[in-house]
Amino acid sequence: DTAVSQTPKYLVTQMGNDKSIKCEQNLGHDTMYWYKQDSKKFLKIMFSYNNKELIINETVPNRFSPKSPDKAHLNLHINSLELGDSAVYFCASSQSGTGNGYTFGSGTRLTVV
Amino acid sequence: GENVEQHPSTLSVQEGDSAVIKCTYSDSASNYFPWYKQELGKRPQLIIDIRSNVGEKKDQRIAVTLNKTAKHFSLHITETQPEDSAVYFCAASSGGGADGLTFGKGTHLIIQP
Repeated sequence: DTAVSQTPKYLVTQMGNDKSIKCEQNLGHDTMYWYKQDSKKFLKIMFSYNNKELIINETVPNRFSPKSPDKAHLNLHINSLELGDSAVYFCASSQSGTGNGYTFGSGTRLTVV
Repeated sequence: GENVEQHPSTLSVQEGDSAVIKCTYSDSASNYFPWYKQELGKRPQLIIDIRSNVGEKKDQRIAVTLNKTAKHFSLHITETQPEDSAVYFCAASSGGGADGLTFGKGTHLIIQP
């Protein structure tokens, strides 16, 4: 019974294409995030949503657009993919006000060729 | 914003010995400090965390210490075993809101048999 699930697990696509990654959590958390892990393993936050409202939008190209239809789902759409977008993207969730419970999804390995 | 420095980047220890990984943070508002273990190809998994009102926390072979004045926190693993080999990340957050986690750059821990 996976707590934070992401699809797809692997994504190989050509430069210039548009792709989406989906994330769902069944923990009842009110906050969801997208993190990017680059080839050097550095984990950096991209976005956070609290109750469907965008809270954090780090310096990310506007080709990346998150969408949260409800507090259990946070999707990431990427337009005009570039080689430098190749990375592992992790979704995570937590419950605000408690300061704990950050749980990560299994990741989506995006390869742009 | 928050900046988290982590050292060393690679740590090799003999099986059975102890391992210590150190982190510093910059934002005095941070009050939640989790540690994650990431095995190759897997998601980061929470192994222990500490809040700013506590100086030390222990869970079997793993302990974390926090020095709020110096803005330092450390992970201690005793009696290391081969399955402890992984990349370990420290992180900091203000915890209460939807601020997300700021990660250190990771430590690759290698346990030599």
